[in-house]
Amino acid sequence: QQPVQSPQAVILREGEDAVINCSSSKALYSVHWYRQKHGEAPVFLMILLKGGEQKGHDKISASFNEKKQQSSLYLTASQLSYSGTYFCGTAERGNRDDKIIFGKGTRLHILP
Amino acid sequence: SQTIHQWPATLVQPVGSPLSLECTVEGTSNPNLYWYRQAAGRGLQLLFYSVGIGQISSEVPQNLSASRPQDRQFILSSKKLLLSDSGFYLCAWSPPDRYEQYFGPGTRLTVT
Repeated sequence: QQPVQSPQAVILREGEDAVINCSSSKALYSVHWYRQKHGEAPVFLMILLKGGEQKGHDKISASFNEKKQQSSLYLTASQLSYSGTYFCGTAERGNRDDKIIFGKGTRLHILP
Repeated sequence: SQTIHQWPATLVQPVGSPLSLECTVEGTSNPNLYWYRQAAGRGLQLLFYSVGIGQISSEVPQNLSASRPQDRQFILSSKKLLLSDSGFYLCAWSPPDRYEQYFGPGTRLTVT
């Protein structure tokens, strides 16, 4: 089941905050976040595992609510370099045969 | 450190022609390997994944096939390309004991 991302697109001014949500109808083992710039490959940001953890580095952080099967990505004091499409991916089993199902993405555009 | 290579970077092929895209990973052993396709402006569609040499799981029945002749080599093939095969093909790898995936630079395929 493909996770649902919201919003589909967002435009911010540099320095503003953004939240991108990802929800699934299935119980999840892990949630993965990636950023893709136009014409480039997706870049891994972070993974959150079952257990309801929160992670972050620099001004990008994420949370995973296992019971609600939801994850949110937080971008604080956004920079121009944050522009791109953000994908969440979900995995259900946590074993080697498991695969990530990606959402349709959220396009983020940061204005100077 | 680990590196993933894909070639060619771009490819223009006529309908009905064969296809071979190659992906290799350096600096790791026994990785999980994945082929994704991304249509223009769309999300990531998992095509094939492999947890070991000769072990291929297909996610989407179509005219594409994959092979893993060596531990760190993953090949995507087609005998006859269709117009609908156009897209951005991404190879990804993950460590055998972890869950995050790392993408290669991709091959942009245009079928004419």
